[in-house]
Amino acid sequence: EAGVVQSPRYKIIEKKQPVAFWCNPISGHNTLYWYLQNLGQGPELLIRYENEEAVDDSQLPKDRFSAERLKGVDSTLKIQPAELGDSAVYLCASSLERIDTQYFGPGTRLTVL
Amino acid sequence: AQKVTQAQTEISVVEKEDVTLDCVYETRDTTYYLFWYKQPPSGELVFLIRRNSFDEQNEISGRYSWNFQKSTSSFNFTITASQVVDSAVYFCAVSGTYKYIFGTGTRLKVLA
Repeated sequence: EAGVVQSPRYKIIEKKQPVAFWCNPISGHNTLYWYLQNLGQGPELLIRYENEEAVDDSQLPKDRFSAERLKGVDSTLKIQPAELGDSAVYLCASSLERIDTQYFGPGTRLTVL
Repeated sequence: AQKVTQAQTEISVVEKEDVTLDCVYETRDTTYYLFWYKQPPSGELVFLIRRNSFDEQNEISGRYSWNFQKSTSSFNFTITASQVVDSAVYFCAVSGTYKYIFGTGTRLKVLA
């Protein structure tokens, strides 16, 4: 069974540029998560989807971050415009249900110059 | 509110030593799950184990063992006869009604 797929693995952009990350969860997993992980820290939740619905986006900086999950499968996380402080690893995870075990993708390492 | 505390920031051991990683959690939920994940230098978080709040039976899986004590809100993880490949950051997490909260991780260095 394929795991969570993320792309790109690495992205380097200049500040004020837009950037987008893509995630394909494990087949059949209804819940999808986007996390941000800073160096030396644990993952911090940005947004959680139950199927197509964003049910927890309280930690998402909505002035510059947006996300969507069309048809309840793939998801895209966008930053526009990027700031220096956005440099981090962006992780996508999925689970069968909300409280269930989360399985993580390899992450996208974003560097904003 | 939920919180996970991993007080050990970094641990170094010599290969073949046993090592225990501590995790203390806080939750108001009566039903919850506890997890351990491993994050090797490659960066991908790898799921190791899940325990639910009603199952305090300790578990051994190969060189790994887990000690869940509800009375002290602890879920500790022991590696027996550590190997260099065990070098990674280990995260404890708790999942309850609203959130999946991770600790800040413990970096384990196993020296040859």
